[in-house]
Amino acid sequence: QAVVTQEPSLTVSPGGTVTLTCGSSTGTVTTGHYPYWFQQKPGQAPKTLIYDTRNKHSWTPVRFSGSLLGGKAALTLSGAQPEDEAGYYCMLSYSDARVFGGGTKLTVL
Amino acid sequence: EVQLVESGGGLVQPGRSLRLSCAASGFSFDEYAMHWVRQAPGKGLEWVSGISWNSGRIGYADSVKGRFTISRDNAKNSLYLQMNGLRAEDTALYYCAKDWDDVLTGPDYWGQGTLVTVSS
Repeated sequence: QAVVTQEPSLTVSPGGTVTLTCGSSTGTVTTGHYPYWFQQKPGQAPKTLIYDTRNKHSWTPVRFSGSLLGGKAALTLSGAQPEDEAGYYCMLSYSDARVFGGGTKLTVL
Repeated sequence: EVQLVESGGGLVQPGRSLRLSCAASGFSFDEYAMHWVRQAPGKGLEWVSGISWNSGRIGYADSVKGRFTISRDNAKNSLYLQMNGLRAEDTALYYCAKDWDDVLTGPDYWGQGTLVTVSS
């Protein structure tokens, strides 16, 4: 089974911009991996932010965007807010299986 | 409003079985794929299994393949996870999640989870 890698932790200043990345042990991440991004706050169920690389749900704040960057999937937060402090998980597709990354703990400080 | 309510969790001894259920409402259940995702205490998310709208496509994580079976009953708006040969490492909060499509893509809505504890 493939391994999906994320930065364990990142810090961003309020109002700042940060990019989280998601890599695959099998090589370059492409749109064919249908990258997803999820946000999870302590004690809560995950919330889906981005699907299929860059598509947003109706509840996704406009400051979040998804892309492919340097062979990885990327989640960019532009104009960080205190409420964005959370865990962020990516998920990639491998045929009929899905694999989550280990998650990134984002601190807004 | 989409609602996903998991049930069936509890304390079970290693090697025993447990069946989780997920009751869905607020959407046309038979038009969407569904997933099970788990989270061990203090750990990250782990995708467990997914099933397409008509059960024609099913996938499992390597860690549960051969032990867990996903199924659905579209007439009852319900998703199931039969877990056999449970191990201590299966201890986790199990989430039911709705896919945004009818085939296996990925989750959009999530339930609140049901806790499974495997211990003697």
